[in-house]
Amino acid sequence: KQEVTQIPAALSVPEGENLVLNCSFTDSAIYNLQWFRQDPGKGLTSLLLIQSSQREQTSGRLNASLDKSSGRSTLYIAASQPGDSATYLCAVRGVGGDAGGTSYGKLTFGQGTILTVHP
Amino acid sequence: DGGITQSPKYLFRKEGQNVTLSCEQNLNHDAMYWYRQDPGQGLRLIYYSQIVNDFQKGDIAEGYSVSREKKESFPLTVTSAQKNPTAFYLCASSFSTGGLYEQYFGPGTRLTVT
Repeated sequence: KQEVTQIPAALSVPEGENLVLNCSFTDSAIYNLQWFRQDPGKGLTSLLLIQSSQREQTSGRLNASLDKSSGRSTLYIAASQPGDSATYLCAVRGVGGDAGGTSYGKLTFGQGTILTVHP
Repeated sequence: DGGITQSPKYLFRKEGQNVTLSCEQNLNHDAMYWYRQDPGQGLRLIYYSQIVNDFQKGDIAEGYSVSREKKESFPLTVTSAQKNPTAFYLCASSFSTGGLYEQYFGPGTRLTVT
């Protein structure tokens, strides 16, 4: 069964710092990996999606990398701002079938990293 | 504007009552999903549907039911059989063909059962 772990569980940094959020998964047979942002009491906003054949994706100050063989992804946030404060979740999608408990189309989520950027 | 709407935002019910949560999307997505989010537990999949008139149980389907009569709509009923229904419920959708399968989420419904 796929398991997704995010480290650290919480992170507090001063404004302007570059930071890295980590995500690891136990089954490397994934179709893609998606990073989300969630503000308190709100739904999830998709930030970046990396296909299994890709190594990284970039959007503005965000860069996500994927090392499928080692079961790891990182989300890099450059020049952090107070508006970046939120919970960041990673999720992996399986390649198909129910082997390992991850069916095609289903996402398995980590528990998230709570980021606080203070002025 | 394309997106996913969930209503209501907050819902209060007495124990023993069934309640239906609404989810509508205008993204022309084939697949729709229901997740439950509890503090410290992450998101867990309740049900998903990849095509109209078809749906599959997720990891925690007991005490829930769904229907998919229209492509745009995927309502979730929380029945009295669900032992701990108080939670934040999130609906999502994606394409089920074409390769990307990026999943988009609605704003959520917070259900409180007393």
